[in-house]
Amino acid sequence: NAGVTQTPKFRVLKTGQSMTLLCAQDMNHEYMYWYRQDPGMGLRLIHYSVGEGTTAKGEVPDGYNVSRLKKQNFLLGLESAAPSQTSVYFCASSYAGRYEQYFGPGTRLTVT
Amino acid sequence: AQSVTQLDSHVSVSEGTPVLLRCNYSSSYSPSLFWYVQHPNKGLQLLLKYTSAATLVKGINGFEAEFKKSETSFHLTKPSAHMSDAAEYFCAAGDYKLSFGAGTTVTVRA
Repeated sequence: NAGVTQTPKFRVLKTGQSMTLLCAQDMNHEYMYWYRQDPGMGLRLIHYSVGEGTTAKGEVPDGYNVSRLKKQNFLLGLESAAPSQTSVYFCASSYAGRYEQYFGPGTRLTVT
Repeated sequence: AQSVTQLDSHVSVSEGTPVLLRCNYSSSYSPSLFWYVQHPNKGLQLLLKYTSAATLVKGINGFEAEFKKSETSFHLTKPSAHMSDAAEYFCAAGDYKLSFGAGTTVTVRA
């Protein structure tokens, strides 16, 4: 039982490049989330999904897209990376609303 | 919508002394409340949660938190700090969309 896993763990991009972050969970959770963590700002919700095939915007969605084609996977895409997207990205999942969220180990992204 | 304020950005305690981390929230409804811990270069781990049952919530590793609706607070305590408690702690509130506080860094002096 791996819980929530994230791929890759580290990545360096140049401005304008694109990439996809993969999140996978093996707990059969319905809800999945992408957050970014910046110093002194806690975690901010980028996008979330309440079930396979659904996605919705969070607090800071600009510059990101997501897809949830399979229940166990939640992909976060950056179409044209900007230095402001340098951050640590966390994926999380939960059984349903008001349940605790389980977090992955994070992806450290640097955009130069 | 809700917001969370962690009143201390940094707390320093001696090993064996109590730890108090303060969290206030504001919300238009009664949210679920959570405390998470993050050790360096790791993901967040749930310490405890409040979801409208008992107001005193016990968590892992000797931590507990008290929900006070009148004060809109959810402070985290531990009676005796251990060196392994050095980490960053986050308070969060919400239903399925959580709002996180900015975090409190705890250092433990030997």
